[in-house]
Parts: sequence; C-alpha cells; structure tokens
Amino acid sequence: GAVVSQHPSWVICKSGTSVKIECRSLDFQATTMFWYRQFPKQSLMLMATSNEGSKATYEQGVEKDKFLINHASLTLSTLTVTSAHPEDSSFYICSARPTRDRGRGPEAFFGQGTRLTVV
Amino acid sequence: LAKTTQPISMDSYEGQEVNITCSHNNIATNDYITWYQQFPSQGPRFIIQGYKTKVTNEVASLFIPADRKSSTLSLPRVSLSDTAVYYCLVGPSSGNTPLVFGKGTRLSVIA
Repeated sequence: GAVVSQHPSWVICKSGTSVKIECRSLDFQATTMFWYRQFPKQSLMLMATSNEGSKATYEQGVEKDKFLINHASLTLSTLTVTSAHPEDSSFYICSARPTRDRGRGPEAFFGQGTRLTVV
Repeated sequence: LAKTTQPISMDSYEGQEVNITCSHNNIATNDYITWYQQFPSQGPRFIIQGYKTKVTNEVASLFIPADRKSSTLSLPRVSLSDTAVYYCLVGPSSGNTPLVFGKGTRLSVIA
C-alpha cells in the first residue's frame, strides 16, 4: 500500500526555537496534504490543508504565522513550528491522499507522527 | 462533511467478536465510509472502507445498511493487540478533501 513518511518521529526543542517536520509521500503524488495535531487522549484535529505550489489553508483558530506550511513538490510538505512554546508540545500527524482518484473512495494515508516536546 | 457519532469506549475479552457502530445521519450520496485504527503515538492506520452493503477483508468486516446512515465495524476474535482507538470517517472521494476525525472509540481488550 501507499506510504507516507514523516520525519522526525520525535523532537525536543527549547522554547523560542523553530522546528521543521517533513512529510513525504513515497510512492504516489499528492497535490494536497493535511496536517493534524493530537493532544493526549484526544482525537486528531485538522490544522491545515497544504496545497502544492500555493498557500496552505488553515483551520479556524490555527495561527498561520506560527505554523508555517510549505508544499514545494507533489511528494513533500513541511510544517515549521516557529518560536515554539511549551503549549505547542503535541503529536503532529500528516496525511496525504493520491492526486489521482483510484475510484476506491477517500483513501488517505498517514505518517507515523512527530512527537514535539518544547522545554 | 458528515459528522459521525461512535461510542466513546468499549471493553471486550480476548477471542470475542467486537462490533462498533457509527452513526452518520447526514452522509452524502458520494460519501464513502472508512474506518481507521490508531495505536498510541502512531498515525492512524486504514482498516476498511465501504460504500454500501457489506465489505470484508482479512482483518474486519463492515456492514452498511441500505439507508447508509450508520455502519458497523466488526472485528472477529479480538486479541490484546487490537486494543486501540477506532475512528469512523465519512467523506467524498476527492483527493482535496480532508478527513475530519470524530472522537473515536477506545477499545480495550482484556485477557
């Protein structure tokens, strides 16, 4: 099946620094990728939709200047948490859906997630 | 996007069949129903998907009634390793549409 690779799996950073998380679709092209955030014991919350070659679309309440998203190619999207603070500590997950509809419904593939801890 | 409702949690003993029902009253004509499994500190993993009637694969079955306003994920003979959170999602086939997660069902399998 299709694979989405997310890197790093975990990161610890100091408050005030920036952290970049990469999301790659390994064997398919994805015009659109999605970034989620998950707090302990809670569900995934959609943060933004990343569009190849254009600006990301952010969900209400998500600061676009804090969570910078770049979708430079059909297989790579990056999320940069700028000036990270302890409250940004969370589990970040990316998702990608094949550009070409294979007629099998909304297949979505998820990365393994990135555990961010800001100290 | 259609909103889904699932039980918050379920407990089961090893070896039993587990059925998790999801309500999606506002499902649209072109929406599919997809179930994902998530273990702690991992991304969701696809289990099964369907549009209507019954779908079966090597790990689960999905039952969808004619009105499609609900669906039931059936896990045969669960084991301890099936302890996870299970999410029911509905959405169209467009690749540009994000999947919106509900609260999911936390399944605990007991020895």
